[in-house]
Amino acid sequence: TQLLEQSPQFLSIQEGENLTVYCNSSSVFSSLQWYRQEPGEGPVLLVTVVTGGEVKKLKRLTFQFGDARKDSSLHITAAQPGDTGLYLCAGARGNNAGNMLTFGGGTRLMVKP
Amino acid sequence: ETGVTQTPRHLVMGMTNKKSLKCEQHLGHNAMYWYKQSAKKPLELMFVYNFKEQTENNSVPSRFSPECPNSSHLFLHLHTLQPEDSALYLCASSQGVGDYFDNEQFFGPGTRLTVL
Repeated sequence: TQLLEQSPQFLSIQEGENLTVYCNSSSVFSSLQWYRQEPGEGPVLLVTVVTGGEVKKLKRLTFQFGDARKDSSLHITAAQPGDTGLYLCAGARGNNAGNMLTFGGGTRLMVKP
Repeated sequence: ETGVTQTPRHLVMGMTNKKSLKCEQHLGHNAMYWYKQSAKKPLELMFVYNFKEQTENNSVPSRFSPECPNSSHLFLHLHTLQPEDSALYLCASSQGVGDYFDNEQFFGPGTRLTVL
């Protein structure tokens, strides 16, 4: 059972369409990060959200942290082929070692021209 | 070099071989991580080093042996691996292991490992 569930797992859309990716958990996180990973590369950090209800925008990408800090969403407006990649959410929870990240299973997005 | 670098990018090894993966970060960070990324599982944290001290070992088999000689370098020594260990091994670094923005992680490109 994944601590962080991402949906959908796969998404194939046409250029110009809008989409939303969800990241859900039954656990509370102190912060949540979104990454994008392209083939042959490591994940690249897009944003960190910290406060419940927080909304952050990065050009055509809008990130929201749930009020209870258990879930998050990523909305892309007018998707472009350059948005193609694997989108990963990661929640931070404290333990003895610090605030380790738990990653979701990812959403693989393909945007067709 | 900038960011986080990993060598080699690709590695094929037999089950009896011994090899090492290398990671170097040029960001002045204090924490470094090894992750395993398989096709059918989420990114799995393997080891965490904070100020050269191992602070997390996520129940990783002893055939994986990490080494962190300083805050900029991290190694993963491999011996008697199994075919199911084939995966992308990612190294990451962060400013620290604190909360909020302290643990934002910067990843290397990974080593694609195939065990025959």
